[in-house]
Amino acid sequence: DAGVIQSPRHEVTEMGQEVTLRCKPISGHNSLFWYRQTMMRGLELLIYFNNNVPIDDSGMPEDRFSAKMPNASFSTLKIQPSEPRDSAVYFCASSLTRATAFFGQGTRLTVV
Amino acid sequence: AQTVTQSQPEMSVQEAETVTLSCTYDTSENNYYLFWYKQPPSRQMILVIRQEAYKQQNATENRFSVNFQKAAKSFSLKISDSQLGDTAMYFCAFMAYNNAGNMLTFGGGTRLMVKP
Repeated sequence: DAGVIQSPRHEVTEMGQEVTLRCKPISGHNSLFWYRQTMMRGLELLIYFNNNVPIDDSGMPEDRFSAKMPNASFSTLKIQPSEPRDSAVYFCASSLTRATAFFGQGTRLTVV
Repeated sequence: AQTVTQSQPEMSVQEAETVTLSCTYDTSENNYYLFWYKQPPSRQMILVIRQEAYKQQNATENRFSVNFQKAAKSFSLKISDSQLGDTAMYFCAFMAYNNAGNMLTFGGGTRLMVKP
């Protein structure tokens, strides 16, 4: 298995633009997580899905952020409109229930 | 809610020496997992070791071992025979397994530098 695949690896966008981050979890995994990593706040859980259903989205910063998981093999995290303070590394991770989470390589987002 | 605390923001060790990274956590759960992840400069998050709370035996993975003290809610990572490639950020993480799911809570991380 190729592991968790995220795209793009890097994204630079202008303030106000829409940004979409993509994630393909490991085949067979039923849980998917979106994390954000910054120097100031460390690793923060934004949202997680179990069997494609959002279970906890309390970490989503505000209405500008939204996440979807239309099927077991794909998820998106969208920011609209983006702001400079959204600049961070965004990680996607997947796991089986009550098992180790495996991470993608992350997307470094820069909003200028 | 669970919290994970890593009290050492930075540490350094000489190559071939042993180093211990500290982690404490707070939870009211009785069944859970604990993890150590490594994040090298490449930023990839890599699982180092995992411990089930119901197991009394400390987990070991080659040069990496843990000291799990459930009553004290302590979960330290020992790296033996440190290598230059061990230079990285190390994150302690907690996962409760209950009906609500299996979300991970991370500590703030410890930056480890292995010196030649």
